[in-house]
Amino acid sequence: AQSVTQLGSHVSVSEGALVLLRCNYSSSVPPYLFWYVQYPNQGLQLLLKYTTGATLVKGINGFEAEFKKSETSFHLTKPSAHMSDAAEYFCAVSERNFNKFYFGSGTKLNVKP
Amino acid sequence: GAVVSQHPSRVICKSGTSVKIECRSLDFQATTMFWYRQFPKKSLMLMATSNEGSKATYEQGVEKDKFLINHASLTLSTLTVTSAHPEDSSFYICSAVGLAGVGQYFGPGTRLTVL
Repeated sequence: AQSVTQLGSHVSVSEGALVLLRCNYSSSVPPYLFWYVQYPNQGLQLLLKYTTGATLVKGINGFEAEFKKSETSFHLTKPSAHMSDAAEYFCAVSERNFNKFYFGSGTKLNVKP
Repeated sequence: GAVVSQHPSRVICKSGTSVKIECRSLDFQATTMFWYRQFPKKSLMLMATSNEGSKATYEQGVEKDKFLINHASLTLSTLTVTSAHPEDSSFYICSAVGLAGVGQYFGPGTRLTVL
């Protein structure tokens, strides 16, 4: 069975500060890993994903995440937060055929001016 | 490419009625579609897996007689909430996996409100 843990249901940063959203997973085999962003009353937008290859993955809007197998982590970072980054972020894992996504509980990012 | 649409985007219905939500893959064929439910301020919960031409596989705790899923073609899956009750009010999101299995793509969601 797979599960995803996102530490911190709410994270608040100042505009221009580093954004770090944590995600740990448990899986019997290395899964595919994803980060999605959701704005109010909207669907999910894919930020980035890791399937194979380079463990540091760059996504849209300046976000990146690093897959660390030894730590079973896939933390999301952005060097400098922007007001438009305020949203809910979901980490997800899937089997290595893109079936059956398992989502973390989500982290709401607040960006202060 | 890889666009998934849902219709309607919002629906309000009376308690006891049935509501159908459509999920379409617009520019690719989807062997498998998934239906998720998102409660307010909560994460997405997988409800069922829908494969074209076969019965859907429901996750534990999801009532298959209440949430009817039909995957009639490689581009269309429907979720019908039967005899809706206020506790069925939620955000329903579908996703689709392409034939080549290169990714899972999410629809924009449908907000269901049952009065």
